[in-house]
Amino acid sequence: GAVVSQHPSRVICKSGTSVKIECRSLDFQATTMFWYRQFPKQSLMLMATSNEGSKATYEQGVEKDKFLINHASLTLSTLTVTSAHPEDSSFYICSAKRQGAYEQYFGPGTRLTVT
Amino acid sequence: AQSVTQPDIHITVSEGASLELRCNYSYGATPYLFWYVQSPGQGLQLLLKYFSGDTLVQGIKGFEAEFKRSQSSFNLRKPSVHWSDAAEYFCAISYSGNTPLVFGKGTRLSVIA
Repeated sequence: GAVVSQHPSRVICKSGTSVKIECRSLDFQATTMFWYRQFPKQSLMLMATSNEGSKATYEQGVEKDKFLINHASLTLSTLTVTSAHPEDSSFYICSAKRQGAYEQYFGPGTRLTVT
Repeated sequence: AQSVTQPDIHITVSEGASLELRCNYSYGATPYLFWYVQSPGQGLQLLLKYFSGDTLVQGIKGFEAEFKRSQSSFNLRKPSVHWSDAAEYFCAISYSGNTPLVFGKGTRLSVIA
C-alpha cells in the first residue's frame, strides 16, 4: 500500500509553454500533498503544501503564479509550470500523506527539461 | 528553526561490510524522524521512521536506526551492505507530523566489490 504515481516521468517543452505534472495516490486518500524540487546532486527543496479543497501554501521564494498547484480531489494534485524557462528545468517530486499519518510517500519524480 | 545535518557527503564501503550513516538534528523537542533512500532518477522510498517508544527501530531492506536524544542523532545502520544498497540516503525530520519534512543534504553511498 501507499503508492504514489507521477505523470509524466519525463517531459521536454519549449520555452514559454506550460507543462502540467500529475501526482496521484493510488491506494489511499491523501489529504495533504507536497511538491518538491530537486537540483542535481542536491537535496529536496519544498515548493508548496496543498490540502485537498483549499489553496496551496507556497514556501518563501516560490512564485505561486508560475507554479500553479491544484489539489481538487483526495487522490490527485497537479503542478502546472506556466511560461516555462530553461531555469525551471529540474526534477520535480511530489509526496502524499494520509490524514492522521505522519509519514509521507513519494512519487517517482518528473524530469522537466525546458529548451 | 529545525535543521538536519548529514555530515558525510559520500561514503564508500565494501560489499558485505557494515554501514553507519550519520544524522543530527537541531530542534528543541523530539521531532518525528525519517530515513529515505533515493536511487538515481527515482523518487524517495521510506526506509524507517521514529515517532516514540523503543529508540532502536527496524526498517526495510535490513536497515535499522537508533534515536539518541542526548546526541540529537538518528543514525542509520546496516550490518552487511549489498551492492544494491548503492544510492542516496536522506535523513528528514518533521516537528509535528503534520508539517513538511526538513531534509538533510543527503549521503551518497557507493558499494565496491
